[in-house]
Amino acid sequence: EAGVVQSPRYKIIEKKQPVAFWCNPISGHNTLYWYLQNLGQGPELLIRYENEEAVDDSQLPKDRFSAERLKGVDSTLKIQPAELGDSAVYLCASSLDTGEYEQYFGPGTRLTVT
Amino acid sequence: AQSVTQLDSHVSVSEGTPVLLRCNYSSSYSPSLFWYVQHPNKGLQLLLKYTSAATLVKGINGFEAEFKKSETSFHLTKPSAHMSDAAEYFCVVSSGFQKLVFGTGTRLLVSP
Repeated sequence: EAGVVQSPRYKIIEKKQPVAFWCNPISGHNTLYWYLQNLGQGPELLIRYENEEAVDDSQLPKDRFSAERLKGVDSTLKIQPAELGDSAVYLCASSLDTGEYEQYFGPGTRLTVT
Repeated sequence: AQSVTQLDSHVSVSEGTPVLLRCNYSSSYSPSLFWYVQHPNKGLQLLLKYTSAATLVKGINGFEAEFKKSETSFHLTKPSAHMSDAAEYFCVVSSGFQKLVFGTGTRLLVSP
């Protein structure tokens, strides 16, 4: 069974440019999560989707970040415009459903903003 | 609010010796606790979980952790380290599986 797929794995952009990350969850998983992991820190939740609905986006900086999961399967996280402080690893995870279900993580996208 | 404190940012052991990674938690109600491992360039993997059943939890790869409510601790142990155990380990608290709160991580270094 394929795991959570993320692309690209690495991205280098100049500040003020837009960037997008893509995530394909494990087949059949209804819940999808985006996390931000700064260097030397643990991941922090940005947004959680149940199917196509964003049920927890309280930690998403909405002035520059946006996310979508239009058909309740794969998802895109966008930053526009990027700032130097956005350099981090962006992790996607999925779980079968919300509740007592294990989250499975993708390998992440490492973003460098210059 | 819930939080976890990982007491060591780095732990170094020799191959074949015991591993102890320390974690203290703070929670206003009965928590669920987890340990995740992160190998370089790989996704986070669940090692084990505590969800109010047995206080001694066994996980994958020979790891186990003991929930001690009186000490608000959930330390991760392994009797004998292997070179492949070298990775970053995260202690995590949650009020359910939905919202995981991660610690800052402990890097385990294993020398031959």
